[in-house]
Amino acid sequence: GESVGLHLPTLSVQEGDNSIINCAYSNSASDYFIWYKQESGKGPQFIIDIRSNMDKRQGQRVTVLLNKTVKHLSLQIAATQPGDSAVYFCAENPRGGGADGLTFGKGTHLIIQP
Amino acid sequence: NAGVTQTPKFRVLKTGQSMTLLCAQDMNHEYMYWYRQDPGMGLRLIHYSVGEGTTAKGEVPDGYNVSRLKKQNFLLGLESAAPSQTSVYFCASSSFSGVRDTQYFGPGTRLTVL
Repeated sequence: GESVGLHLPTLSVQEGDNSIINCAYSNSASDYFIWYKQESGKGPQFIIDIRSNMDKRQGQRVTVLLNKTVKHLSLQIAATQPGDSAVYFCAENPRGGGADGLTFGKGTHLIIQP
Repeated sequence: NAGVTQTPKFRVLKTGQSMTLLCAQDMNHEYMYWYRQDPGMGLRLIHYSVGEGTTAKGEVPDGYNVSRLKKQNFLLGLESAAPSQTSVYFCASSSFSGVRDTQYFGPGTRLTVL
């Protein structure tokens, strides 16, 4: 079964506001997590990743938070822009960084309102 | 540097026909993957390869075969297409460092089986 999921299939935010996209996972053995952005008609694009020995990691306008106690992952996007409109997937590697693929959640569609 | 490319971009097949999808990467990555993405779903791993001449089954391998004769290419074959294989297929590659497993995706192939 699927071990990675998301709380909301769609999230609508105002341009300029901050966005928070959530993801829950169930596999305690997972120690590597990735957020991908997928625009319409394109393949997933890497945004940011985090290993389980970290609680927080920041990139350019994005922050990933990891709460291992409740198996929860979130992606924060600061000052959301129209170009942020996409489907966002969280993914985990339940085998400690092994090469046999990632397990993806179903995705959250981020809609930016002007 | 083209990254990961996929051929073809679109294809329509009749039930029972066969076809091969080609994935190529120019990043010298060891690891390559084939995923399928169905509407409202995350990506599911079909097959993967950890190096030239090797392949392994993923989550949903039935009805598909793969080959990795050259390091830069990963082929996905459908011997007898079925309507249930209508999907968008994504190829990915990664350079496993033992620490992270960031996968880079191609643009996808949209396959319809009638």
